[in-house]
Order: sequence, then structure tokens, then C-alpha cells
Amino acid sequence: DAGVIQSPRHEVTEMGQEVTLRCKPISGHNSLFWYRQTMMRGLELLIYFNNNVPIDDSGMPEDRFSAKMPNASFSTLKIQPSEPRDSAVYFCASSPGTSEYTDTQYFGPGTRLTVL
Amino acid sequence: SQKIEQNSEALNIQEGKTATLTCNYTNYSPAYLQWYRQDPGRGPVFLLLIRENEKEKRKERLKVTFDTTLKQSLFHITASQPADSATYLCALANQGGKLIFGQGTELSVKP
Repeated sequence: DAGVIQSPRHEVTEMGQEVTLRCKPISGHNSLFWYRQTMMRGLELLIYFNNNVPIDDSGMPEDRFSAKMPNASFSTLKIQPSEPRDSAVYFCASSPGTSEYTDTQYFGPGTRLTVL
Repeated sequence: SQKIEQNSEALNIQEGKTATLTCNYTNYSPAYLQWYRQDPGRGPVFLLLIRENEKEKRKERLKVTFDTTLKQSLFHITASQPADSATYLCALANQGGKLIFGQGTELSVKP
């Protein structure tokens, strides 16, 4: 099993540009999570999908952030327009679970985003 | 507000000793708690889960305790090795709630 796959691994962009991060969860997993990690705030949950449906997006910082999961094997996190304060490592994680958060989460390698 | 606190300072120990990391929480009644390991440039990796009705959980050289009265979890690595050097994160959730992660504690095991 390849694990959770994220692309790109590194992204450098200029303020105001659109950024799209991609995630392929582990096959057969029903839940998908997007996190953001910074030194100041640690690891924060942005949004959670179950069976491709967004369940909890209360962690999405503002309207500039949007996430989609068009099918069970693909999700995107989009930032438009990007700002320097969005610089962080963005992780995607998946779990086998149904509607509970109790399952083990399997994290991808992350995308390091730098907004200049 | 809900708060999770882990040792902010890095923990440096000698190989072969037992490493003990703490996770304290306030204004929270978690149904369970998880510990993850994170290496530089990588995503967190799940290690152990302990539920509110469990006092202790073991897995090989790892041991986790959960004291809901003290609102504290302790994470122990016995016979530590340099390969155990990493950042360790605790995460809590209410039943059906989302995971809230602590800031993590960096562990360095010297040979």
C-alpha cells in the first residue's frame, strides 16, 4: 500500500495567486482530513470528509479556503487568493472509519507551502 | 477554553533510559487520547490509543497512562534508543468529536 499521497511536496507562490493542494487517501478509507501545521499553532484540523461529504469545516480559516472531494480517491484544498500567513505545512490524513473520529489516522507526507 | 499542554522544552536523555513525556489538558472531557510520532519532514504516525475507561496501555517498549482525575496522560519509552528521537504529539477527542493535537515534545536520545 502506497499510503496517503500528497502533491506537490513543496509549493512556492506569490501573494494573490491560487494554490491547489492534492491528496489521494488510502484505498478503502472512508474518512479524509486536511490539517495545517505551523510552529505557532501546531497541527490544526481544517476540514473533515466522510464518504466524500464534508462533515466539519469549522476549522477552515476563511472564505479563501475551499476543499472538495469529488470521489473516494481524490481531494483538493484550494487557497484563493493566497497570503503570506498561509505559509505552513498542509497534511492530508485518511482513516478507515465511519462517522467517528476514533479511528487511527494515516497522514501523508505533507505539502510545504510558502507564500511570498 | 480547551487547552492541551505538552512539555515545550526538548527532552534529552541517554540511550537505555526511560523517556517520559506528559500531556495535560484543561476544560476537556476526552473520550480517548492518541499518541503520534512525527519525524522531521514527515507526517505524524499513530502509536497508541487509550480510552477514558482504560488506565494503561502497552505496546512493545511503549506505555501510555491516562488519568482523567489529574487530566493527564504520560507516555513512556523504555530502553530508549537513538532511533526513538522524534517529536511526539498527543491528541484528544470527545466521543464523535474532532481530534485536537498538542504542540508536541521533541525527544532526543543520545548514544
